[in-house]
Amino acid sequence: EAGVAQSPRYKIIEKRQSVAFWCNPISGHATLYWYQQILGQGPKLLIQFQNNGVVDDSQLPKDRFSAERLKGVDSTLKIQPAKLEDSAVYLCASSRGQGKLFFGSGTQLSVL
Amino acid sequence: DQQVKQNSPSLSVQEGRISILNCDYTNSMFDYFLWYKKYPAEGPTFLISISSIKDKNEDGRFTVFLNKSAKHLSLHIVPSQPGDSAVYFCAASDGGGGADGLTFGKGTHLIIQP
Repeated sequence: EAGVAQSPRYKIIEKRQSVAFWCNPISGHATLYWYQQILGQGPKLLIQFQNNGVVDDSQLPKDRFSAERLKGVDSTLKIQPAKLEDSAVYLCASSRGQGKLFFGSGTQLSVL
Repeated sequence: DQQVKQNSPSLSVQEGRISILNCDYTNSMFDYFLWYKKYPAEGPTFLISISSIKDKNEDGRFTVFLNKSAKHLSLHIVPSQPGDSAVYFCAASDGGGGADGLTFGKGTHLIIQP
């Protein structure tokens, strides 16, 4: 079974620029999550999708972050404009809805 | 406020001995707990979980203990092996093991010494 795919692996941008991350979950997994992991911290949930509907986006900074999951499969997370404090690893995860999440390798974002 | 706390940023254990990683939580609504293991430049991988209706779950060398009254759980690894060197995250949810997102602790870096 193929795992969660994420791209790019690394991204370096300047503050105020925009950036987008892509995620392809495990086939058949209805639930998709985006997490932000700042260095030295645990992953923090940004947004959760069930199929193509948003279940929880309470911790998503909506003034600059947006996410979509068209057709209930792939998802993109966008930051516009980026700030220095957005430097982090962005992790995508998926699940069948049974508690166990499967994570991708993440996208490491550096904002200069 | 941190709802899941791992108070030891790092732990060093000799190969072959027992590793004990601790985790405390404050949200009494949490009813499902998981441990994840993370190697550098990789995403976290699931290790073991426990429901709040149990106080122990075992899987090979890994055992998780849950003390609900103390809001405390621990992960025991016996015997510890070099490949166990990684960052371990404790995570919790209040969704009964369903699809709810997880709340993670900051992690404990386990170092297995030869």
